[in-house]
Amino acid sequence: QKEVEQDPGPLSVPEGAIVSLNCTYSNSAFQYFMWYRQYSRKGPELLMYTYSSGNKEDGRFTAQVDKSSKYISLFIRDSQPSDSATYLCAMKRQGNEKLTFGTGTRLTIIP
Amino acid sequence: ETGVTQSPTHLIKTRGQQVTLRCSSQSGHNTVSWYQQALGQGPQFIFQYYREEENGRGNFPPRFSGLQFPNYSSELNVNALELDDSALYLCASSYGLATSTDTQYFGPGTRLTVL
Repeated sequence: QKEVEQDPGPLSVPEGAIVSLNCTYSNSAFQYFMWYRQYSRKGPELLMYTYSSGNKEDGRFTAQVDKSSKYISLFIRDSQPSDSATYLCAMKRQGNEKLTFGTGTRLTIIP
Repeated sequence: ETGVTQSPTHLIKTRGQQVTLRCSSQSGHNTVSWYQQALGQGPQFIFQYYREEENGRGNFPPRFSGLQFPNYSSELNVNALELDDSALYLCASSYGLATSTDTQYFGPGTRLTVL
């Protein structure tokens, strides 16, 4: 079993819809949770960074962490065609540890 | 732009050869991490260097090795290339602080194809 599970999709939604992306994990030592966006043939770009349980909002993006369920989510409101990319969840333990990634979800926003 | 650069962009090698990939971190970032991303997969941690010393390693064989230099540049070396080594190789730099705010910033990657 992988430490981090993420539905690879692909996921296609119409422009303007709310997108929900999710990851589950098994290692209770993970304390820091990130979402990266990766366009085709590019490196991952950090979108959201959260610590422990709770919500964090940044513009159209909201990240949620539920440590009791070992479940994290990323919501995208008013989705745009430019949001079409692969979204990777990542997490790490205390300190400057390695990042453990999900497989990524490929998202397409249809104009 | 993250300020992290990698070279070359693409590389084609044959099985058994050796390859060196290069990364230039953001100024002031003392930590560099290398990841391997196979097609359709998330990045897998190879190893991390902090101030020129290896500071953690993932499940990769010894033929994967690295160097970090004082000028914020680093190298990933892979010997005896295998077909399964074909992947996107990413480097990520960070300050190297054991705090919640330390974040890894990724370069664009080097796409390696082994024939």
